[in-house]
Amino acid sequence: KNEVEQSPQNLTAQEGEFITINCSYSVGISALHWLQQHPGGGIVSLFMLSSGKKKHGRLIATINIQEKHSSLHITASHPRDSAVYICAVSPTNFGNEKLTFGTGTRLTIIP
Amino acid sequence: KAGVTQTPRYLIKTRGQQVTLSCSPISGHRSVSWYQQTPGQGLQFLFEYFSETQRNKGNFPGRFSGRQFSNSRSEMNVSTLELGDSALYLCASTYDIGGGVGSYNEQFFGPGTRLTVL
Repeated sequence: KNEVEQSPQNLTAQEGEFITINCSYSVGISALHWLQQHPGGGIVSLFMLSSGKKKHGRLIATINIQEKHSSLHITASHPRDSAVYICAVSPTNFGNEKLTFGTGTRLTIIP
Repeated sequence: KAGVTQTPRYLIKTRGQQVTLSCSPISGHRSVSWYQQTPGQGLQFLFEYFSETQRNKGNFPGRFSGRQFSNSRSEMNVSTLELGDSALYLCASTYDIGGGVGSYNEQFFGPGTRLTVL
């Protein structure tokens, strides 16, 4: 069983829809990261959080430490949001230099 | 400030050869991590260097090695290439003042080197 599980694996939605991607983990962590990967490979860090909720523009990330669960929400989705979204964790007693990754969620937003 | 750069961006090798990939971190970042991404295994941590020393290591065979120079640039080397080594190799840098097991600052990723082994 993977230490970091994401769902769904694939998600197709219409432009404007509210998107939720889920991440569950089974290890102790010092932080959880949401990453975005566009075709071509480049990865951008969207959020790094260890508690509560963070918001950046149309993106919102939440984490529940007790339940070992995090969600990434996208409001008013747009075709440019189409990408693979990856959840990653920094295991307890390690810094952010050593990440364990989920398998990613491929999001496609149709105009 | 320039981002993380990786060279080369694309590489084709044959089985049995060796390869060296290079990563230049963001200026001032002393920590460089390397990751392998394959369709089957996803993203996996290879190793991390801080101040010219390997500080963390993932579960990869000894064919995978790396080093870091005094200017924080890092190289990774894969010897005796196998078909399964075909992957996107990503490096990431982090600002870390040292003195601990790692940093709790954000990682910044490079564009990756896509290695194809024939």
